[in-house]
Amino acid sequence: EAGVVQSPRYKIIEKKQPVAFWCNPISGHNTLYWYLQNLGQGPELLIRYENEEAVDDSQLPKDRFSAERLKGVDSTLKIQPAELGDSAVYLCASSFGLYNEQFFGPGTRLTVL
Amino acid sequence: EDKVVQSPLSLVVHEGDTVTLNCSYEVTNFRSLLWYKQEKKAPTFLFMLTSSGIEKKSGRLSSILDKKELFSILNITATQTGDSAVYLCAPWNTNFGNEKLTFGTGTRLTIIP
Repeated sequence: EAGVVQSPRYKIIEKKQPVAFWCNPISGHNTLYWYLQNLGQGPELLIRYENEEAVDDSQLPKDRFSAERLKGVDSTLKIQPAELGDSAVYLCASSFGLYNEQFFGPGTRLTVL
Repeated sequence: EDKVVQSPLSLVVHEGDTVTLNCSYEVTNFRSLLWYKQEKKAPTFLFMLTSSGIEKKSGRLSSILDKKELFSILNITATQTGDSAVYLCAPWNTNFGNEKLTFGTGTRLTIIP
């Protein structure tokens, strides 16, 4: 079974530039999560999707961050414009329903210069 | 506000030693607690604990939950260098509309050959 796929694995951009991350969850997993992980910290939830619906985006900074999950499968997380403080690892995870084991992708390490 | 405290923050032991990692939590509407192992990239699932006092085991790893005292422990016996990683615990908060895992900062375990 293929795991959660994320791309790119690494991204270096200058501040004020836009950036996008892509996630392909495990086949059949209807719940998809985007997390932010700063160095030395645990992952923090940004947004949760149930199929194509964003059911919890309360932690997403909506002035610069946006996300979509068209057709309830792949998802894209975008930052525009990026700030220095956005440098972190962005993790995508998926699960078969809420409260079940979440499977994580390898993450995208973003560096904003 | 939900709170998860893991201890110790860092632990260095020799191969073959036994270690105990601690996780205390305060979350509203607790449902279950998950343990993850994170090496250089994606967190990988270890255990989900729902009931107090019932030990879960997987090889040399075991874990138990105390819902009265609000903590969980993860034990690793006969440690190996491959156990070197950050171990994260995460309880589920099931507040309607704000269901999420709250991750601790993790315990960084280093096994010396």
